[in-house]
Amino acid sequence: DAGVIQSPRHEVTEMGQEVTLRCKPISGHNSLFWYRQTMMRGLELLIYFNNNVPIDDSGMPEDRFSAKMPNASFSTLKIQPSEPRDSAVYFCASTPGGGRETGELFFGEGSRLTVL
Amino acid sequence: ILNVEQSPQSLHVQEGDSTNFTCSFPSSNFYALHWYRWETAKSPEALFVMTLNGDEKKKGRISATLNTKEGYSYLYIKGSQPEDSATYLCASREYGGATNKLIFGTGTLLAVQP
Repeated sequence: DAGVIQSPRHEVTEMGQEVTLRCKPISGHNSLFWYRQTMMRGLELLIYFNNNVPIDDSGMPEDRFSAKMPNASFSTLKIQPSEPRDSAVYFCASTPGGGRETGELFFGEGSRLTVL
Repeated sequence: ILNVEQSPQSLHVQEGDSTNFTCSFPSSNFYALHWYRWETAKSPEALFVMTLNGDEKKKGRISATLNTKEGYSYLYIKGSQPEDSATYLCASREYGGATNKLIFGTGTLLAVQP
């Protein structure tokens, strides 16, 4: 079975450019999460969706960040404009969801973003 | 805001040594505690999901215990092997509503020298 698929795996861009990261969750999973990994702060939850609806976006750093989930099989995380401090590995994860399970997360391989 | 802490930050052991590390989390509104293993250049993979106070889970040489009243979990590795080298993450989930919000600690980096 295919796991969580993220693209691109690596992105190098210049400050001020728009960056779009993509995620395809595991089929049948109802919850999707975007995390950011940095050396200083570890894995930070940015936003998560249940049944395509954003539930908690309190971790989104600022208005430059936005996330969408137009359908059950696709989500995007957009940064516009990007800044060097946004450089990090961005992970997408999914889980069967529904709030009743123990919620084990299945992670994608991450998108490593470098903003010059 | 849930605050999950792990110690030590890093650990260097020799092959064959047994080791353990700690995860502490707020005990109020506890719902579940997760342990993940994260190898370099790969994605984190779940080791254990624990919910009951006093629970103990085991997978091969790795085991974990849970104390929800005092808010801590231990992960033990018996007879460490070089392939155990990874970052071990714990994450806690609060009880409340139909949410799956997991908050992660910063991890313990384990290096096992052959």
